Amino acid sequence: DAGVTQSPTHLIKTRGQQVTLRCSPKSGHDTVSWYQQALGQGPQFIFQYYEEEERQRGNFPDRFSGHQFPNYSSELNVNALLLGDSALYLCASSLGPREQETQYFGPGTRLLVL
Amino acid sequence: AQSVAQPEDQVNVAEGNPLTVKCTYSVSGNPYLFWYVQYPNRGLQFLLKYITGDNLVKGSYGFEAEFNKSQTSFHLKKPSALVSDSALYFCAVRAAGGSYIPTFGRGTSLIVHP
Repeated sequence: DAGVTQSPTHLIKTRGQQVTLRCSPKSGHDTVSWYQQALGQGPQFIFQYYEEEERQRGNFPDRFSGHQFPNYSSELNVNALLLGDSALYLCASSLGPREQETQYFGPGTRLLVL
Repeated sequence: AQSVAQPEDQVNVAEGNPLTVKCTYSVSGNPYLFWYVQYPNRGLQFLLKYITGDNLVKGSYGFEAEFNKSQTSFHLKKPSALVSDSALYFCAVRAAGGSYIPTFGRGTSLIVHP
């Protein structure tokens, strides 16, 4: 049973570019949440997708957008990249939007913006 | 608003000795509290949670945490540390009945010396 998978593992972009990160949830899970973890910080909630809709959103600008597909996989898109967007981006899945406490995290995508 | 403080960036302990990783929180209403562990190049793994009931919560890998409402603390403990426990530990909180979005602390690096 595969856990949460994310791709790519690492990514280097330049300021102003756009990036798409991908996540496949744990088998049987239907809810995906995205987090940004800056160096030396704890994860910060970006948004959550359930039934292909954004259900909750943290304090992130509209440059951060997402999508969930019918197979429950998800994408995180970031436009007009800033240096401050450099971070580890974590995807987490759960069975239902109210089970975030026991959500399963993927290994993350490390994004470096130059 | 909700917040978490992990006052120690790093905790050092000898193998076989008891360990404590500290966490204090602030939240409106009753708290839901969680501990996660992050190994290098891995995502976060859920260790344990406090929702209600006994103040002493037992979790994975022999870890436990004690909820103290008067001190607004939720310290993580283990009676006998292992070298393999060396990792980054995150405390998180959310308000009961709230938005299900957890707030994470900055993390505490636990180093267990042989």
